[in-house]
Amino acid sequence: SSELTQDPAVSVALGQTVRITCQGDSLRSYYASWYQQKPGQAPVLVIYGKNNRPSGIPDRFSGSSSGNTASLTITGAQAEDEADYYCNSRDSSGNLVVFGGGTKLTVL
Amino acid sequence: QVQLVESGGGLVKPGGSLRLSCAASGFTFSDYYMSWIRQAPGKGLEWVSYISSSGSTIYYADSVKGRFTISRDNAKNSLYLQMNSLRAEDTAVYYCARAVAGNGAFDYWGQGTLVTVSS
Repeated sequence: SSELTQDPAVSVALGQTVRITCQGDSLRSYYASWYQQKPGQAPVLVIYGKNNRPSGIPDRFSGSSSGNTASLTITGAQAEDEADYYCNSRDSSGNLVVFGGGTKLTVL
Repeated sequence: QVQLVESGGGLVKPGGSLRLSCAASGFTFSDYYMSWIRQAPGKGLEWVSYISSSGSTIYYADSVKGRFTISRDNAKNSLYLQMNSLRAEDTAVYYCARAVAGNGAFDYWGQGTLVTVSS
């Protein structure tokens, strides 16, 4: 299996743009997906595939990838975006699934 | 609307067993891969296992291989996780989740069921 690495914490001023990154060897072969989790709630998928947003996810959320790094960008962060964000992907074998350790986003 | 409802969690002693269930509704259950994902208290998400739409393909995380068994009953729209030889480190909220085809992503999650392994 392989690992996905995320920064433990990131902060952003209200209305500004923030990028949350996820690094791992498997990302050279597979797209990352991104999840938002607020305290006491189940995770919510916000980005999957090349840059796909499920229905109901605001367009301020976007995804990108380069080499072994995937990024989730929030353009114009809102107070309600304060949450934990997790990336995931398949592992290098393609058979298993891996999650990053999560990034706690604080909106100042 | 898509709903996933887990049940079966609780307190169990180390070495004990527990069977989790996930009742699915609002979509054609037999068309989708399904997965179990867990989250220890105050920790991150950990993928546990997935099962193909027919049940013919199954994979497990190394941490549970040989102890946990995933299964499904498409006639009952249900997903299961049989957990044996439970350890303290298996304590977590267990979520069932629907997989996005071919992607490794999970688009719908249940509310989770808490499993506590303690003497």
